[in-house]
Amino acid sequence: KQEVTQIPAALSVPEGENLVLNCSFTDSAIYNLQWFRQDPGKGLTSLLLIQSSQREQTSGRLNASLDKSSGRSTLYIAASQPGDSATYLCAVFFNAGNNRKLIWGLGTSLAVNP
Amino acid sequence: DAGITQSPRHKVTETGTPVTLRCHQTENHRYMYWYRQDPGHGLRLIHYSYGVKDTDKGEVSDGYSVSRSKTEDFLLTLESATSSQTSVYFCAISDNHSFRDGYTFGSGTRLTVV
Repeated sequence: KQEVTQIPAALSVPEGENLVLNCSFTDSAIYNLQWFRQDPGKGLTSLLLIQSSQREQTSGRLNASLDKSSGRSTLYIAASQPGDSATYLCAVFFNAGNNRKLIWGLGTSLAVNP
Repeated sequence: DAGITQSPRHKVTETGTPVTLRCHQTENHRYMYWYRQDPGHGLRLIHYSYGVKDTDKGEVSDGYSVSRSKTEDFLLTLESATSSQTSVYFCAISDNHSFRDGYTFGSGTRLTVV
């Protein structure tokens, strides 16, 4: 069964700290992977999209890496700010022949404390 | 969220009544999706559309129907609302079903069935 796991479920850090959010997936046959941010009561905002042929993507203070062989992606946030507080979701598009399917993790709830 | 709007934003309805949620896009994307988000389950696909009048079921389609009479509008109908359908509903759009360019999400509709 294809699954996406995000650990930890919640994380609290002081402002300024560099941090890593983890996303693990059970099948290396992926098409791509996308990181989203969700603010309370709001929709999902796309942060970074990594194709299966890529190793990483960067946008500002965010860097996402992808290691298909180990079934893992990380989202690195540099110099965290209180405005980074949100839930971060990982979505993996699995590409197993005709069984293409988008699977979501449950997210990591991040609190950055001033 | 640029290019995609959901209405209503909040809805309270009684058990047994029909409810229709609307998703409107201005991006001319071919694919549109309805998801529900519940604690402990992440996002789950209800239905999706790959063109005008072309729709297909997702993993949790029972009790829901959809219609797409125009490229820009995708309607989700709860035929007879039940308390188990209390959830936050998100619409998403994509120009490519293989997730190549990622998804763009609406701000969500919070539905409460009493």
